[in-house]
Amino acid sequence: GQSLEQPSEVTAVEGAIVQINCTYQTSGFYGLSWYQQHDGGAPTFLSYNALDGLEETGRFSSFLSRSDSYGYLLLQELQMKDSASYFCAVRAISGNTGKLIFGQGTTLQVKP
Amino acid sequence: DTGVSQNPRHKITKRGQNVTFRCDPISEHNRLYWYRQTLGQGPEFLTYFQNEAQLEKSRLLSDRFSAERPKGSFSTLEIQRTEQGDSAMYLCASEVPGANVLTFGAGSRLTVL
Repeated sequence: GQSLEQPSEVTAVEGAIVQINCTYQTSGFYGLSWYQQHDGGAPTFLSYNALDGLEETGRFSSFLSRSDSYGYLLLQELQMKDSASYFCAVRAISGNTGKLIFGQGTTLQVKP
Repeated sequence: DTGVSQNPRHKITKRGQNVTFRCDPISEHNRLYWYRQTLGQGPEFLTYFQNEAQLEKSRLLSDRFSAERPKGSFSTLEIQRTEQGDSAMYLCASEVPGANVLTFGAGSRLTVL
């Protein structure tokens, strides 16, 4: 089976840096993805890590350690618009195909 | 390309009725997913297709749920004999295999009274 764990809530102030952790257990693993979802909106893709290390995209970075089954999303220079839910997701391998399984999400509240 | 389109956006129904949702994916995306999401939870996998083939269906899904993608383009998700516990947002997503990026539609919100 597959399971992902991430904190349920994180609060930070505008301009700060916040890290959202994700640990996973899965029978097969292609990579770790991150999605953002604003209230009332659809999830949108942020990043994907297939290999160990840090991937940077603007103010957002994502890290993966396959040996530790662990990853994180780093958000820098926080803005009010970053208040949203953030989901980590893994590709669960079944035969020669893979479905994307999501964690329960971390609600980020950015305060002025 | 107008993204992933889902209809209807909202559906209110009485317990015991059948409902059907439609998803039109991005045209070149041959993989299509259905997820269910309730408040404060992550998207829960229901089923997915590659072209017209249904590759997997969640074991959590009862026999009241069925999905089709007859020509490998749009997909429908039908829920028979709805129950109050079926109230949720039903999300459709599509992707190009290997791209590792799901594009979600805005969802269809179901309320069962």
